[in-house]
Amino acid sequence: EVQLLESGGDLVQPGGSLRLSCAASGFIFNSYAMSWVRQAPEKGLEWVSTLTGSGYSTYYADSVTGRFTISRDNSKNTLYLQMNNLRAEDTAVYYCAKGGSFQSSYYMDVWGNGTTVTVSS
Amino acid sequence: EIVMTQSPVALSVSPGERVTLSCRASQSVKSYLVWYQQKRGQAPRLLIYGASTRATGVPVRFSGSGSGTDFTLTISSLQPEDFAVYYCQQHDIWPLTFGGGTKVEIK
Repeated sequence: EVQLLESGGDLVQPGGSLRLSCAASGFIFNSYAMSWVRQAPEKGLEWVSTLTGSGYSTYYADSVTGRFTISRDNSKNTLYLQMNNLRAEDTAVYYCAKGGSFQSSYYMDVWGNGTTVTVSS
Repeated sequence: EIVMTQSPVALSVSPGERVTLSCRASQSVKSYLVWYQQKRGQAPRLLIYGASTRATGVPVRFSGSGSGTDFTLTISSLQPEDFAVYYCQQHDIWPLTFGGGTKVEIK
């Protein structure tokens, strides 16, 4: 069974940093793209970042470019999101998601339960 | 950026009714379109990929159609467990973008 378990969410002050982790199991981790998607309170889904299975290519939403860094450790089956210079508008539930196997594969076929990031003074 | 527009924003439906949700892209995304279902307090769940292929375990009452810019998700006979928010997402062109969602409520 494919499982994704996020951790690292917390309350942080504006300008602060946080690193999210996503532990994956049940599939060949380095064969799939992995993404982070967030959802602000009572809002819709917003794509944040994607990393290819090899780790060679990364993609970011404009809203986080230059502040967030996605990475993966294929030896530990773990995905990361380093978040710097956090802003109030980064407050959201952050979901880790596994890429699909069809077409471009840049959709999310399995999601974690999410970890909550709150940016507030 | 490709803008995904879903309509309606919300609808009230009785169990057993047929439901049709719309998703329109601001430019062609070919068939690189997926649908997700999100129930309150839960993570999203993949329903449809490739615009029309049901994901594993998705009941046959869910069907997707369309290509290019206009897509539809149809629930043939709404069940109580189907009350949720439905999102479309294109994965043809970066950045990946989601529609704003359609909330299906109990009438």
